[in-house]
Amino acid sequence: DTEVTQTPKHLVMGMTNKKSLKCEQHMGHRAMYWYKQKAKKPPELMFVYSYEKLSINESVPSRFSPECPNSSLLNLHLHALQPEDSALYLCASSLDWVSNQPQHFGDGTRLSIL
Amino acid sequence: GEDVEQSLFLSVREGDSSVINCTYTDSSSTYLYWYKQEPGAGLQLLTYIFSNMDMKQDQRLTVLLNKKDKHLSLRIADTQTGDSAIYFCVETEGNNRLAFGKGNQVVVIP
Repeated sequence: DTEVTQTPKHLVMGMTNKKSLKCEQHMGHRAMYWYKQKAKKPPELMFVYSYEKLSINESVPSRFSPECPNSSLLNLHLHALQPEDSALYLCASSLDWVSNQPQHFGDGTRLSIL
Repeated sequence: GEDVEQSLFLSVREGDSSVINCTYTDSSSTYLYWYKQEPGAGLQLLTYIFSNMDMKQDQRLTVLLNKKDKHLSLRIADTQTGDSAIYFCVETEGNNRLAFGKGNQVVVIP
């Protein structure tokens, strides 16, 4: 099993809504990542979790709130988003944060903010 | 972050070979990766090469690494329509932080 599964695949929300993106992996990986990707651009790192603890926050606005309930799950809670937050949100995982093992990506959640 | 340079667009006929080039800046990168992104999909790890290797071959894929010039290339033999995608050259910056190139869009013409 070499999959990273993200739900939902698509999400449309208003600026006052609260929603969550979910990511799951069962590869025994202990590092998990959130990326944001705008059209025709490479992904940009948002957050890194290592052994269920937040290791990196790339100065992401507080309207994005990550959570790692256990070693297999990663959530991204969304509240009061702006139209410029519309993007593809990608989750990735790797064996750990320090050993430079490859990151495996999910198919992403395409988010549209009305 | 580090600068990873890629050319932007390549058009190739089905059955021909494709070559995508990339230059990177961090000579201490342990791994260099090629990721593929098909339309509407996430990133698929295509192949990677250790920095102490010069070449890696994996079926139709050949990766060449020139450490002196910090140049990485990906050759796809017998290009198929399913190879149409954006290809990202990626290096590791430290810990497992990835530095992405801008991506190279490959369009395969039947």
